[in-house]
Amino acid sequence: DSGVTQTPKHLITATGQRVTLRCSPRSGDLSVYWYQQSLDQGLQFLIQYYNGEERAKGNILERFSAQQFPDLHSELNLSSLELGDSALYFCASSASGNTRANEQFFGPGTRLTVL
Amino acid sequence: GESVGLHLPTLSVQEGDNSIINCAYSNSASDYFIWYKQESGKGPQFIIDIRSNMDKRQGQRVTVLLNKTVKHLSLQIAATQPGDSAVYFCAEDSNTGKLIFGQGTTLQVKP
Repeated sequence: DSGVTQTPKHLITATGQRVTLRCSPRSGDLSVYWYQQSLDQGLQFLIQYYNGEERAKGNILERFSAQQFPDLHSELNLSSLELGDSALYFCASSASGNTRANEQFFGPGTRLTVL
Repeated sequence: GESVGLHLPTLSVQEGDNSIINCAYSNSASDYFIWYKQESGKGPQFIIDIRSNMDKRQGQRVTVLLNKTVKHLSLQIAATQPGDSAVYFCAEDSNTGKLIFGQGTTLQVKP
């Protein structure tokens, strides 16, 4: 158990809908990272927040947005869902904002299925 | 563009043998590399990392080798055990705050 929690574990929805994925980092960790893992694209970095502020941005679509709240949990919002958005979404956390200073601990993921 | 790739999608080894998983990267600015293990139904788990000022780093039963000349790194697992069966990813960091992951190699350990 990494100490990172993600809810829900599974999510099934229809095209055009909007969903929110939630992540609670390990106690004391200030950084939260979101990743998308699909069969054809592998594990792709989406976005990082550090202590409530956006720190780095990856291949995140404009239909997707994220935020980190004062209690440090984070939410990833996916809107106007398409079939291709079906994937595993992982959250990771680390103590600092520097990817090389502290290892990232991954949560168990949320499996999103868009029908 | 930036990319990290793995040479083989699947590696099958006998229990007790040594395993070698390879990874090629293309961004010469990358100076930090990490190996992750992902078991079925779980998130990636950190195994070992190496900085570009090193050629080799050893952990418990694992060794990572970095060859900057040919932009190649490998993960060696000694005395492979059934519990080592998983997908292994290499990732690179060019100090942009973004980890770039390879496609992954599935390691199958035969009893």
